[in-house]
Amino acid sequence: QSALTQPPSASGSPGQSVTISCTGTSSDVGGYNYVSWYQQHPGRAPKLMIYEVSKRPSGVPDRFSGSKSGNTASLTVSGLQAEDEADYYCSSYAGSNRYVVFGGGTKLTVL
Amino acid sequence: EVQLVESGGGLVQPGGSLRLSCAASGFIVSSNYMSWVRQAPGKGLEWVSVIYSGGSTYYADSVKGRFTISRDNSKNTLYLQMNSLRAEDTAVYYCARTWELSFHYWGQGTLVTVSS
Repeated sequence: QSALTQPPSASGSPGQSVTISCTGTSSDVGGYNYVSWYQQHPGRAPKLMIYEVSKRPSGVPDRFSGSKSGNTASLTVSGLQAEDEADYYCSSYAGSNRYVVFGGGTKLTVL
Repeated sequence: EVQLVESGGGLVQPGGSLRLSCAASGFIVSSNYMSWVRQAPGKGLEWVSVIYSGGSTYYADSVKGRFTISRDNSKNTLYLQMNSLRAEDTAVYYCARTWELSFHYWGQGTLVTVSS
């Protein structure tokens, strides 16, 4: 049972937009602006796509955006491309005891 | 260029020990927060441990008292000493350069299998 709740799957056609949610509590997502999103292709290491809710690391396309409202964070992928098909994980700072907690992951399929 | 290369994984019996290494290049390990994150086969990500630049260390409850994170500044290398291993510790272990409570750079991972 993951600390953060994500839908197991999401899908969209090329060019469309898709949003993945990540629901926590006031002790993690809702309490801090330290939500991150990671992309993981099969057999590969995760890659940071969004940090501090909405910031993009250098090199990440601006098709990827993040937001947060209350205890729920969201990752939006606009202009879907075939290479966006991957697993996506959210994470949040959860205080000094738990440090960082993850969601269970969402498999994004590009139809 | 930032690079992280893990090693030391393998097959170990329950109750055994293993030490993972993470050799870094392109930055100074001791000046950064560094973490270990693991992923059980077919499962999601789980934070394991972090060492701050000042030397403070923190652990997930699932490994507290059994795992120890450390670093060798002269070798620019991060370690994870794992003792009293259990079947549920079976996973790919990643080291990650940590900044602003996010894992910005990841190694390729090393597989640890705990089985008799």
